[in-house]
Amino acid sequence: EIVLTQSPGTLSLSPGERATLSCRASQSVNSNYLAWYQQKPGQAPRLLIYGASSRATGVADRFSGSGSGTDFTLTISRLEPEDFAVYYCQQYGNSPSTFGGGTKVEIK
Amino acid sequence: QVQLVQSGAEVKKPGASVRVSCKASGYTFTSYYIYWVRQAPGQGLECMGLINPSGGHTSYAQKFRGRVTMTTDTSTTTVYMELSSLRSEDTAVYYCARKAVTTSYAFDIWGPGTMLTVSS
Repeated sequence: EIVLTQSPGTLSLSPGERATLSCRASQSVNSNYLAWYQQKPGQAPRLLIYGASSRATGVADRFSGSGSGTDFTLTISRLEPEDFAVYYCQQYGNSPSTFGGGTKVEIK
Repeated sequence: QVQLVQSGAEVKKPGASVRVSCKASGYTFTSYYIYWVRQAPGQGLECMGLINPSGGHTSYAQKFRGRVTMTTDTSTTTVYMELSSLRSEDTAVYYCARKAVTTSYAFDIWGPGTMLTVSS
């Protein structure tokens, strides 16, 4: 199965700053079927990005995804207070689907 | 509206089995796979497998083969996940999530989760 490694584990930033999250796959992700999710305590994950770079319905345009093959990035251009959460990448092009270990974005 | 509603929290003893349900509404049931994803306390997300409600085809992650069974009832638009031979490490929140069969859209709708506690 494909192993996804996210870095950093924790990102300490202030509101208004730019956040850059990385996700590296152990092998090429089929059809760039790479997604990003946001999860807040006590809630289910929320889809942000699919197909590596497409924003899901209703997702603010400060969220953007990029990358291909084995290296992917989620960028939050200017952090809003509600963006402090845990972010997971996921590959869903190869079976079984797998998730990265998560990056926590916390308030500095 | 589009939603997945899951059954309530469960407490089971080691060695027992549990069945969690996920009822879909607001969309064409057979046009979306249903995946099961679990999350142990304070840990990340782990995909257990999927079922295609159209025909009932399943695919399970290697780790769960032999212990997990996913089934579907199209008359009630409900998917079930049964996990057997429970152990303490199965304590987790279990989520169902849908993914469109024919597009690149990922897991766009999730259930609220079902907490399973395995304890003697």
